[in-house]
Amino acid sequence: NAGVTQTPKFQVLKTGQSMTLQCAQDMNHEYMSWYRQDPGMGLRLIHYSVGAGITDQGEVPNGYNVSRSTTEDFPLRLLSAAPSQTSVYFCASSPPRARGGPGGIQYFGAGTRLSVL
Amino acid sequence: AQSVSQHNHHVILSEAASLELGCNYSYGGTVNLFWYVQYPGQHLQLLLKYFSGDPLVKGIKGFEAEFIKSKFSFNLRKPSVQWSDTAEYFCAVNPRLWVGGGGNKLTFGTGTQLKVEL
Repeated sequence: NAGVTQTPKFQVLKTGQSMTLQCAQDMNHEYMSWYRQDPGMGLRLIHYSVGAGITDQGEVPNGYNVSRSTTEDFPLRLLSAAPSQTSVYFCASSPPRARGGPGGIQYFGAGTRLSVL
Repeated sequence: AQSVSQHNHHVILSEAASLELGCNYSYGGTVNLFWYVQYPGQHLQLLLKYFSGDPLVKGIKGFEAEFIKSKFSFNLRKPSVQWSDTAEYFCAVNPRLWVGGGGNKLTFGTGTQLKVEL
């Protein structure tokens, strides 16, 4: 069982280049999200999706785009990379929750370490 | 909006020492609380969770956490740490009011880097 798969594991970009970080999950989870992890700042939510065709912004969405055409895939696009986007990116997924039910359990991918020069 | 504070950014302990990592959150409503752990070179994984009921919850590898509602705290404890507990620990909160798919949003603290020395 693969869980949440992220590719690539490492990437080096030049300022201004664009790229797409891939995320796929095989657990049929409706909720998927992207975080960036920076030293001393924990994980900050970039974008999230509650199902195919539905996305929303998180805490730090600027410079990133997402789309959700299928339940399985949730790619993150960097439109014009900047050094401030050097970070480790994590994708996560969760099953849906009912009102008052247990939410917040997320399954994380292994991460993509991105350097922007 | 909710926020999470972790007071200790770096903790160094000797094996067999006791551990307590602080976590406080700010949110006016009811929350689900979590500790996630990231071992070196690995992805985050769930360590333990609190949804309701007994405020003392037990997780994997001998970890436990106590929810004190009056203090908005959810501190992580372990009586005797091992070298293999070296990792980064994140406290996270999920407001229970949310429903559906969006009800899984987490707000994370800044993390505590724990190093256990032999």
